[in-house]
Amino acid sequence: GENVEQHPSTLSVQEGDSAVIKCTYSDSASNYFPWYKQELGKRPQLIIDIRSNVGEKKDQRIAVTLNKTAKHFSLHITETQPEDSAVYFCAASIEGNTPLVFGKGTRLSVIA
Amino acid sequence: ETGVTQTPRHLVMGMTNKKSLKCEQHLGHNAMYWYKQSAKKPLELMFVYSLEERVENNSVPSRFSPECPNSSHLFLHLHTLQPEDSALYLCASSQDGQGEQFFGPGTRLTVL
Repeated sequence: GENVEQHPSTLSVQEGDSAVIKCTYSDSASNYFPWYKQELGKRPQLIIDIRSNVGEKKDQRIAVTLNKTAKHFSLHITETQPEDSAVYFCAASIEGNTPLVFGKGTRLSVIA
Repeated sequence: ETGVTQTPRHLVMGMTNKKSLKCEQHLGHNAMYWYKQSAKKPLELMFVYSLEERVENNSVPSRFSPECPNSSHLFLHLHTLQPEDSALYLCASSQDGQGEQFFGPGTRLTVL
């Protein structure tokens, strides 16, 4: 089955700097890669996702890149703000076929 | 109420008690999930229901018993739990097992 590894487990950045979180997956058939953000005491919420037919997707300060050959994908947050502080989870699945498999999460702290 | 709701939000139970967690989704989805979230395993899939039929059971101990009476409701029946079962239990739903999973707020369970 699918295995998703996520790094780093914790990340601290200065406000205004960029943050990058990386994930690798094992099942080459996986084609759907979402990222969820979970603020302290709240539920996980989808912030961006990418499917295997594209290599990059951007939404304002957030971007995700996918390298199918290497089986890794990354989340990039630019111009970080204190409200970006949260735990971020990557996940992978064969969409509509297998459930999401989540990484272990990255705790991002943005220091003002 | 919209989205995914869960009750109770907090639950304390002894090891000999029997209790149930309830999840309700108001999104018209046909797939529902139970996750366990703890410090050791941040988002661990327990059960998947699609069209009210269980399609995935990730080797969960039998002291956890799910029930999905219709596409809008999901229960997790608990009996003779162990202290290590203390965690946040999250429910989620999606359409056709594709795209975004919408999470509920979770039930914080403490087993004494």
